[in-house]
Amino acid sequence: QQQVKQSPQSLIVQKGGISIINCAYENTAFDYFPWYQQFPGKGPALLIAIRPDVSEKKEGRFTISFNKSAKQFSLHIMDSQPGDSATYFCAATRSTGFQKLVFGTGTRLLVSP
Amino acid sequence: NAGVTQTPKFRVLKTGQSMTLLCAQDMNHEYMYWYRQDPGMGLRLIHYSVGEGTTAKGEVPDGYNVSRLKKQNFLLGLESAAPSQTSVYFCASSYSRLAGGADTQYFGPGTRLTVL
Repeated sequence: QQQVKQSPQSLIVQKGGISIINCAYENTAFDYFPWYQQFPGKGPALLIAIRPDVSEKKEGRFTISFNKSAKQFSLHIMDSQPGDSATYFCAATRSTGFQKLVFGTGTRLLVSP
Repeated sequence: NAGVTQTPKFRVLKTGQSMTLLCAQDMNHEYMYWYRQDPGMGLRLIHYSVGEGTTAKGEVPDGYNVSRLKKQNFLLGLESAAPSQTSVYFCASSYSRLAGGADTQYFGPGTRLTVL
């Protein structure tokens, strides 16, 4: 029940296209869902996060869509750029008390010029 | 403000050798974490600490020990390294959730460890 399943494992998108990464969780107690972005040779960094009281959150070209009933959330990168090429991790946790982040297995995104 | 730093950046060990990885943060964060990252397996929590002098086991603690003697430092030790511990190790820190802070974990740049 602690798993977060992420797909696809890798993704190639042309410059200007839309990149979509999907995640699914099982634990209905999870109520905080961040996405982390990791460039080669660097540590992950928070990109955007959502709480289940909203169905969508947008920051610039990055949007999280959240479907509470399906226990799924996804990251959409609009107008994808070569600089977006990185590994993306979804994660989930509970926001009450101390709870550990449960990470997905990651998606390696390559945006071709 | 350096954020989270890790030393060393790279290390090669022989099976059975020991070593300590050092993590330091200058953001006065209460919580600190050690993760390992392996291809296709994402980030797995090894140990974590909710404050100075405290440590707790994460998802994959076997073969590792940790200490948090000072609030800003979190050490990860391998007493007898095994090839299965070849990985990239990341340290992270975050505010205390109980203090109403953000849930963001700030990661260090990682240590690439190879055990032969």
